[in-house]
Amino acid sequence: RKEVEQDPGPFNVPEGATVAFNCTYSNSASQSFFWYRQDCRKEPKLLMSVYSSGNEDGRFTAQLNRASQYISLLIRDSKLSDSATYLCVVAGYGQNFVFGPGTRLSVLP
Amino acid sequence: DAGITQSPRHKVTETGTPVTLRCHQTENHRYMYWYRQDPGHGLRLIHYSYGVKDTDKGEVSDGYSVSRSKTEDFLLTLESATSSQTSVYFCAIKGGLFTYNEQFFGPGTRLTVL
Repeated sequence: RKEVEQDPGPFNVPEGATVAFNCTYSNSASQSFFWYRQDCRKEPKLLMSVYSSGNEDGRFTAQLNRASQYISLLIRDSKLSDSATYLCVVAGYGQNFVFGPGTRLSVLP
Repeated sequence: DAGITQSPRHKVTETGTPVTLRCHQTENHRYMYWYRQDPGHGLRLIHYSYGVKDTDKGEVSDGYSVSRSKTEDFLLTLESATSSQTSVYFCAIKGGLFTYNEQFFGPGTRLTVL
């Protein structure tokens, strides 16, 4: 089993739709959780950190369920500019940042 | 903008030649990382550094070496490039103005080994 798994995608959604991405991780000792977005042929960019209580940033909501070892990202009112690959990242102690393979999102006009 | 640059941005080389990639940061971050990204894989850690002359191996370190003689520069060397090292290489730093644990990435280097 891979350490971090994500929905395989791709997700094709119309503008204005709500879309949810899921991520599961295998190491119960994981400490920090993040969502990054990566545009085609660009570097990953931090979208948001994920806190135990859940957090929201505008149209984006991230949730963490430590008992089930799962993280989610919800995007409301999708925009064309949200089209990208979304990477789930899980970190333990030390420098062990583990990246998921990513889920590609295409928002269609 | 985390002040990270990478050079070169693109390189084509031949099997068996040595290659050095440079990562430069301007904000005095202690931790620096080298990753590679390949289709079907997430980013995979090659090496990281936790200070000048302090480095350690990551998941896919075979065939790679690193050096950090100054805080701002972290060099990745492919001692004898192979076609399996064709990849996109990203450098990253850890920490920002209001954070301590998030990673921020440079623009990447596309390396092709023929």
